[in-house]
Amino acid sequence: DTEVTQTPKHLVMGMTNKKSLKCEQHMGHRAMYWYKQKAKKPPELMFVYSYEKLSINESVPSRFSPECPNSSLLNLHLHALQPEDSALYLCASSQPSGYEQYFGPGTRLTVT
Amino acid sequence: KQEVTQIPAALSVPEGENLVLNCSFTDSAIYNLQWFRQDPGKGLTSLLLIQSSQREQTSGRLNASLDKSSGRSTLYIAASQPGDSATYLCAVFMEYGNKLVFGAGTILRVKS
Repeated sequence: DTEVTQTPKHLVMGMTNKKSLKCEQHMGHRAMYWYKQKAKKPPELMFVYSYEKLSINESVPSRFSPECPNSSLLNLHLHALQPEDSALYLCASSQPSGYEQYFGPGTRLTVT
Repeated sequence: KQEVTQIPAALSVPEGENLVLNCSFTDSAIYNLQWFRQDPGKGLTSLLLIQSSQREQTSGRLNASLDKSSGRSTLYIAASQPGDSATYLCAVFMEYGNKLVFGAGTILRVKS
């Protein structure tokens, strides 16, 4: 099973809302990633968790808060987002340090 | 800072043609290079992973090559089909920094 699942598929939220994105994998991978992708652009790395510890934060605003409760789950908590945060949010997983990354289908987020 | 460039930005070919997509990178300190396919609004599908010590990888009608010293990779697609229409992204995993750096992608359209 090489599947990474993400929920929800679509999310519309107001600028004062709090919501969460969820990502799950059962491949035994110990590295998990959040990417943001705007239309017609490549994915941009946001966060990397390695062995359930945050190892990379690409200077992401604090209105995005990642959480890795266990080795299979990755959450992204959203609060007080701006319309420019509307994008496709992709989760990926791999073994740490340079192994093949597997991506989920993404969550399409619209901030109104 | 690593920069990944993909040429051409877009390509339209008739069905059945063999085609080559190009990827170049400025810093040869990479663990591997990965080619992905992305359909509109969807996640990324991993096509091929080439380790830095390898020269090429093949999967079905796809063949990817890597020349690490010159900072170049090509993705060869044989006997193209309309179902191959998608955006193709290459990404390098850095020896330092534990992250993928993406090119901007090549948008491929195969006409029937």
